Amino acid sequence: ELKVEQNPLFLSMQEGKNYTIYCNYSTTSDRLYWYRQDPGKSLESLFVLLSNGAVKQEGRLMASLDTKARLSTLHITAAVHDLSATYFCAVDMSGTYKYIFGTGTRLKVLA
Amino acid sequence: EAGVAQSPRYKIIEKRQSVAFWCNPISGHATLYWYQQILGQGPKLLIQFQNNGVVDDSQLPKDRFSAERLKGVDSTLKIQPAKLEDSAVYLCASSLGQTTNEKLFFGSGTQLSVL
Repeated sequence: ELKVEQNPLFLSMQEGKNYTIYCNYSTTSDRLYWYRQDPGKSLESLFVLLSNGAVKQEGRLMASLDTKARLSTLHITAAVHDLSATYFCAVDMSGTYKYIFGTGTRLKVLA
Repeated sequence: EAGVAQSPRYKIIEKRQSVAFWCNPISGHATLYWYQQILGQGPKLLIQFQNNGVVDDSQLPKDRFSAERLKGVDSTLKIQPAKLEDSAVYLCASSLGQTTNEKLFFGSGTQLSVL
């Protein structure tokens, strides 16, 4: 059974600081996705990572994938308050289009 | 482009009652998913459809939950009878299901409270 774990579960950081969220998964997969969820809202797609070594960047967020280590990272550069949300990674089980979500990281950026 | 539509937005019922949720995916999306998201947790896959066929329902509590996708377009998820632990947001998502860089498009969800 595929397990997807994120850490930290909660993250409180000051504006302007950098930090990294980690996503580990338990079985082979070469497709990983990052989503954002604002309180009371649905999930919004951020990044699609399709191969080992893939790196995607959008604004202050950068995501990478290491399929050999079964690890993805979401790096936040110079955080701003608008980035406060819960971030989920999701892994596609062996190309089945069956997406298993992680536990989520609740990020709060303090002014 | 219209997004994934879900209704109702909120539902409050008593335990042992039945409830149904409706989802209309993005036009042309072959794959449809129902997820259950309990407060503070990640979405948990309940069932995955490809057109009108079930691909995976291994996590669906079949003694009380049922889902169908007639004609391969919209879908309904039913709970009968509901339990207190069914209180959650039920999210519907869809994707094209045809390319390797698929991403899911989510609806706004139905928030269910079982009293």
